[in-house]
Parts: sequence; structure tokens; C-alpha cells
Amino acid sequence: GAVVSQHPSWVICKSGTSVKIECRSLDFQATTMFWYRQFPKQSLMLMATSNEGSKATYEQGVEKDKFLINHASLTLSTLTVTSAHPEDSSFYICSATPAGGLAGETQYFGPGTRLLVL
Amino acid sequence: AQKITQTQPGMFVQEKEAVTLDCTYDTSDQSYGLFWYKQPSSGEMIFLIYQGSYDEQNATEGRYSLNFQKARKSANLVISASQLGDSAMYFCAMREGLGRGYKLSFGAGTTVTVRA
Repeated sequence: GAVVSQHPSWVICKSGTSVKIECRSLDFQATTMFWYRQFPKQSLMLMATSNEGSKATYEQGVEKDKFLINHASLTLSTLTVTSAHPEDSSFYICSATPAGGLAGETQYFGPGTRLLVL
Repeated sequence: AQKITQTQPGMFVQEKEAVTLDCTYDTSDQSYGLFWYKQPSSGEMIFLIYQGSYDEQNATEGRYSLNFQKARKSANLVISASQLGDSAMYFCAMREGLGRGYKLSFGAGTTVTVRA
């Protein structure tokens, strides 16, 4: 099956610093990637949809200047949390859909990145 | 408005028994898809099963089956012969439309704990 990786899997940073999370599709080309945020015991909340070569589409309430998304190639999207604060601590998950994917094909999820801001 | 509703925050099931996880959805689209995912404590999202709105038969994948009742807008997941490794959080999700790069709407999730 299709594999999506995320790096890093764990990151601890100081308040005020920026953190970059990478999402890669390892064995397929992803025209669209998604970024989710998940708090403990809660559901996945879609933050933004990222299309290769174009600006990301952010969901309502998500600060685009706070969460910078770059989809530079068909296999890589990055999420940068700028000037992170403790309330940004969360589990961030990316997913990807293959180019030419079928309607019934699932999004392929990365393993997630746990961010802790001190 | 909530697109996906999962009303069971948590469930306990005895090993080897079957368990049904409820999911109702709301959409005005004629074409949509319903997914179930498993999320163990490690956090990875594991795809379990898919049901398309035009599929006439209920989807099955091994021990997982989806009880699709279109008129009631429900897509319940049935896990047969529960195993200890089935303990996890389970999410129902919906894709609306047929577009590529579709968004998924997730339910709140149900935590399943399998007892030995």
C-alpha cells in the first residue's frame, strides 16, 4: 500500500520558536495533501488542504500566518508552526491522495508528529 | 451542522464477541463515500473499510463489515470476534462528491476497549 512518512515524529521546542514538520509520500505522487490537528481523545480537525504548486486552502479559524504550508513537489508538503506557543502543542497528522486516485480510495495518513511547546 | 455523528464515546467488549459502532451522517450529495479508520494509541490512522453511496452491497473486509442503511443515513461498523488488539479509537468519516483531493469529515470517535 501507499506510504506516507512524517518527520519528525516527536518535537519539543521552546515558546517563540518555529517548528517545521515534513510530510512525504514515499511511493506515489500526491497532488493533494491535508494537514490535521488532533488533541487527546478528540477527533481530527482539518487545518488546510495543500495542492502542489499552489497556495494552501485553510479551514475557517486556522491562522494562515501561524501555520505556514508549502507543497513544493508532488511528494513533499511542509507545515511550519511559527512562533509556537504552549497552546500549539498537539498531534499533527498529514495525509495524501494519489494523482489519479479512485473515488473509493482512502487518504493515506502519515504516522503523525507530536509537538510539545514549553 | 455536524456531518458525522458518533454517539458512543466509549465501549467495552469481551474478547471474541462482536461489537457494533454507530455512525450517522448528514449530506445532501447523491455521491459520497463513507470510511472507517482505527487509531491505536500510537496515533497512526489505519484504514479499515469503505462504502460508496452507490454500492448496493454492504462492504466487508475480513472481520470488519459495514452495515449501510442509506435511507437512515447510517453506516455502522461491525467488528466480529473481537481481539485484544482491536482496542483503539475508531473514527467514521465521509467524503462528499467525487472530486479528487476530497476532504474528509470525521466523527468524534468511539474508544473501544476489548477485555480478556
